[in-house]
Amino acid sequence: QKEVEQNSGPLSVPEGAIASLNCTYSDRGSQSFFWYRQYSGKSPELIMSIYSNGDKEDGRFTAQLNKASQYVSLLIRDSQPSDSATYLCAVRGAGSYQLTFGKGTKLSVIP
Amino acid sequence: EAQVTQNPRYLITVTGKKLTVTCSQNMNHEYMSWYRQDPGLGLRQIYYSMNVEVTDKGDVPEGYKVSRKEKRNFPLILESPSPNQTSLYFCASPPFYDGSANFGAGTRLSVL
Repeated sequence: QKEVEQNSGPLSVPEGAIASLNCTYSDRGSQSFFWYRQYSGKSPELIMSIYSNGDKEDGRFTAQLNKASQYVSLLIRDSQPSDSATYLCAVRGAGSYQLTFGKGTKLSVIP
Repeated sequence: EAQVTQNPRYLITVTGKKLTVTCSQNMNHEYMSWYRQDPGLGLRQIYYSMNVEVTDKGDVPEGYKVSRKEKRNFPLILESPSPNQTSLYFCASPPFYDGSANFGAGTRLSVL
């Protein structure tokens, strides 16, 4: 059974701080990694994808992947109250369309 | 605009009354999938379809049926709904090239 683990939170950070969200996965053959943001009652929205070891930056967001440690993280710089949401980590195996989701980390950015 | 459209958005029904939630995508994707989301349990896959007439079970298929007669449509059928199927349902369709997922807006189902 493929598993994706996230700290459920809630994670509270002050406005302007860096929020750090973490995710570990069990399937060593996993090839694609995604972070989704989900506001309460809304559908998940893709914010970052990463496929190779290292960092990938997009605006205030940085995704980090370490396949040896089976670990992926998301950093949000200069956190804003509008970043308050649940963040879902999703992992896709090799040659598969199947996405396995973590249960999500709830982030609260305090003004 | 690339879209995954689900209907209805909200549905209240009673135990045992058959219902269908529709899902349609305009991206010509081969793969479509249904998820349910419950507090504390996250997103769990119900069924998926790799192409027309090709469907397979996900992690929680019990009590659900699907069909894929056309590429764009992937309805979710609850033949005899029960209260434990009260949930938020999402249809999703990823593009082949990056494996991410475009989600529909969701259907909130309550079974009384």
